[in-house]
Amino acid sequence: DAKTTQPNSMESNEEEPVHLPCNHSTISGTDYIHWYRQLPSQGPEYVIHGLTSNVNNRMASLAIAEDRKSSTLILHRATLRDAAVYYCILRMDSSYKLIFGSGTRLLVRP
Amino acid sequence: DTGVSQNPRHKITKRGQNVTFRCDPISEHNRLYWYRQTLGQGPEFLTYFQNEAQLEKSRLLSDRFSAERPKGSFSTLEIQRTEQGDSAMYLCASSPTGAGEPYEQYFGPGTRLTVT
Repeated sequence: DAKTTQPNSMESNEEEPVHLPCNHSTISGTDYIHWYRQLPSQGPEYVIHGLTSNVNNRMASLAIAEDRKSSTLILHRATLRDAAVYYCILRMDSSYKLIFGSGTRLLVRP
Repeated sequence: DTGVSQNPRHKITKRGQNVTFRCDPISEHNRLYWYRQTLGQGPEFLTYFQNEAQLEKSRLLSDRFSAERPKGSFSTLEIQRTEQGDSAMYLCASSPTGAGEPYEQYFGPGTRLTVT
């Protein structure tokens, strides 16, 4: 399974944008990039996913490098509710399982 | 849409006892997944069902673990002869089938198991 590397923790101020990086240098051509987040005492929650092109949804944007070896999750205006652990996951096209790493713990300062 | 539900939410058991957890997926979700999460770590995949068929099972899942989904709706995860290392949060998730890849898994709140 291809691995991802994320910083252990990041901090942000409320209402400012947040860029969460993820390195995945061993990604294969058919691996999807997924982001999930886990709020305290809850199960993980889907955020966004992509394959090659940048993606936007109501929660966030996903910017994928041209060589696909890295990606960035962008929260446009952080709120206190966005404080969570964010997981960058590579999912093989032929499999439905998610392989989580340790994630990035995001702290949002008021 | 009531979401994925799991019961019980907490279970304390003595080492050597058997435990069973239940997961009710979102209605009409054909795919169901079990994960395990220990403190400070990300969730770890255990197994996956499509309808009643168990299609993938982690090598980490020892013979003491068994999962079933007999009618393609709810699922149970049983741990026999529990060990202290089994203490963890057990998460269930479900996802729909249909056009396109299954990009979103919906997770339940988990069952926290403590083995004393």
